[in-house]
Amino acid sequence: DAGVIQSPRHEVTEMGQEVTLRCKPISGHNSLFWYRQTMMRGLELLIYFNNNVPIDDSGMPEDRFSAKMPNASFSTLKIQPSEPRDSAVYFCASRILDGELFFGEGSRLTVL
Amino acid sequence: AQSVTQLGSHVSVSEGALVLLRCNYSSSVPPYLFWYVQYPNQGLQLLLKYTSAATLVKGINGFEAEFKKSETSFHLTKPSAHMSDAAEYFCAVSGGGGADGLTFGKGTHLIIQP
Repeated sequence: DAGVIQSPRHEVTEMGQEVTLRCKPISGHNSLFWYRQTMMRGLELLIYFNNNVPIDDSGMPEDRFSAKMPNASFSTLKIQPSEPRDSAVYFCASRILDGELFFGEGSRLTVL
Repeated sequence: AQSVTQLGSHVSVSEGALVLLRCNYSSSVPPYLFWYVQYPNQGLQLLLKYTSAATLVKGINGFEAEFKKSETSFHLTKPSAHMSDAAEYFCAVSGGGGADGLTFGKGTHLIIQP
């Protein structure tokens, strides 16, 4: 079975550019999470969805960040405009209700 | 609100020695507690979880953890370390019966000395 699939795995962009990270959760999972990992702050929950509906976006750093889940099999995290401090590994994870959380392999973003 | 504190950003043990990684939590509701492992350039993988059943939880790869409410702790142990255990370990807490998002600790890097 395919796990959580994230793309791109690596992205290098220049400050001010728009960045879109993509996630395909495991089929049948009804909760999806976006996390950001940095050395300084560790793993931070940005936003999560239940049944495609955003439940808690209090972790989204600022208005430059937005996330959507148009259907049960796809989600995007967008940063516009990007800044060097956004450089991090962004993880998507999914689960069934209160079951085990399965993580993707992450998208490593570098903003120059 | 929930929070997790992992004591020691780096822990070094000899191969064959006991592994002990410390985790203390804070939660305003009965918590669900988790340990995850992360190998380089990979996502996180669940080692074990506590969901209000048995207080001693056994996980994969010989790891186990004990929930101690009086100490608000959920320390991870393994009797005998292997070289393959070298990785980053994260403790996490969730409230709301586990339906909420997980809050992670800062992680502990486990180093295994030959």
